[in-house]
Amino acid sequence: AQSVTQLDSQVPVFEEAPVELRCNYSSSVSVYLFWYVQYPNQGLQLLLKYLSGSTLVESINGFEAEFNKSQTSFHLRKPSVHISDTAEYFCAVRISGGSYIPTFGRGTSLIVHP
Amino acid sequence: GAVVSQHPSRVICKSGTSVKIECRSLDFQATTMFWYRQFPKQSLMLMATSNEGSKATYEQGVEKDKFLINHASLTLSTLTVTSAHPEDSSFYICSARRDSMNTEAFFGQGTRLTVV
Repeated sequence: AQSVTQLDSQVPVFEEAPVELRCNYSSSVSVYLFWYVQYPNQGLQLLLKYLSGSTLVESINGFEAEFNKSQTSFHLRKPSVHISDTAEYFCAVRISGGSYIPTFGRGTSLIVHP
Repeated sequence: GAVVSQHPSRVICKSGTSVKIECRSLDFQATTMFWYRQFPKQSLMLMATSNEGSKATYEQGVEKDKFLINHASLTLSTLTVTSAHPEDSSFYICSARRDSMNTEAFFGQGTRLTVV
C-alpha cells in the first residue's frame, strides 16, 4: 500500500516570500502524484499533477512541484506567494494503472501574512 | 475542465432527521463516484465508492445503513445521512472519475453538515 507524509501541518510566510510545502510518499510500484488546494469551506481543486515525463510540473498560478524518485518526494514550491494563496494544500498519490482511489496526506495549511 | 457540482453547500438539520446530499457531474459521465468525509484540520477520509447501477463499496468502519448511497445515473450520486446525530456533523466531499480518463478525479465543492 502507498502512503503520503506531509511533515508540516502549518507553514506561515510573509507575502512575496518563497515557500516550499513538503510531501514524501512511499510505494513499491510506480505512482501518479497530485497536489490539491482547498480554500475554506470548499472542495478540492487540482493544482498540478505528475503522471510521467518531465519531473518538473507547473500550475497556472505560479506553483511548481518536482518529482524526485530517489528521495520519493514531490515538494510544492512557489517563488513569491500572495495573500490569496492562503489555503490548505493536500498531496496525494495513487498507483499508476491501478485502482483509481488516491491516498491523501494530512494537509499543510499555508498562511500568508501581509 | 470537468465540473462536479455538490448540493447543498451547507445544511443544518435536527438530530434524528435524515439529510440527502447530491453530487452531479455536469459535463461528463461518471460511472464511479467517491464520497469523503473531512474533519476539521484533517485530511479526507474515503467513506465509500459509488458505482452506477450497483451497490456502493464501503470502507471499513463506515456504517452502510447510516450512510446510504445511491448512484442512479451516470451523472448523479446521492449520499443520505439517516437519523443524523451531532457526531455526524462534518464536511462531506464527493468526487467523480471521468469515464474517458483514468488519471484523476474531480471534486465537488463540499457540503458542511451541522446536526443540532
